[in-house]
Amino acid sequence: DAKTTQPTSMDCAEGRAANLPCNHSTISGNEYVYWYRQIHSQGPQYIIHGLKNNETNEMASLIITEDRKSSTLILPHATLRDTAVYYCIVRRGWFGNEKLTFGTGTRLTIIP
Amino acid sequence: EPEVTQTPSHQVTQMGQEVILRCVPISNHLYFYWYRQILGQKVEFLVSFYNNEISEKSEIFDDQFSVERPDGSNFTLKIRSTKLEDSAMYFCASKTGRVTNEKLFFGSGTQLSVL
Repeated sequence: DAKTTQPTSMDCAEGRAANLPCNHSTISGNEYVYWYRQIHSQGPQYIIHGLKNNETNEMASLIITEDRKSSTLILPHATLRDTAVYYCIVRRGWFGNEKLTFGTGTRLTIIP
Repeated sequence: EPEVTQTPSHQVTQMGQEVILRCVPISNHLYFYWYRQILGQKVEFLVSFYNNEISEKSEIFDDQFSVERPDGSNFTLKIRSTKLEDSAMYFCASKTGRVTNEKLFFGSGTQLSVL
């Protein structure tokens, strides 16, 4: 699975868009970008995933660059409840019993 | 949205004692996992379980650990003789396994403190 690099921490003002970057320069053609988050001491929560097209769901948008070497998770109107550690995970499409491997992520703090 | 349920939320035990952490995965899910997170560290994979047997386990999951699905709804993690370094938050997770790239659902965890 490709290695990812994320900033250790970020702040964002409440109500603004939070843009969380992730670098994955060694990503290969069959690898997806997944985002999970972990609100303080809770279990990780799935946010979104994508292969090469931009994706949007009720939680967030995922923008993947054309060369797929980096991506940005966008929380369009951040609230205090979005304060969490955000994990960018790159791996090939997974099914069956395969596991997810978490890195250290980005600690996002939403400021009132 | 359906939830993975874990009990108890907190468990305190003495070193050397056995503990059983309990999980009720989402009802139509077929793949089950245990992860743990030591305070301030990464979320680490322990074990995956499918069709009543272990599919994969990490180096952490040594002979002191075991998992079981004793009935159609519960999924348990047993630590036979706890050590101080077993103190961590333990998360159960599940998914159906029927769809590629489906999301993994996590429970809210059991905080295990070994004294």
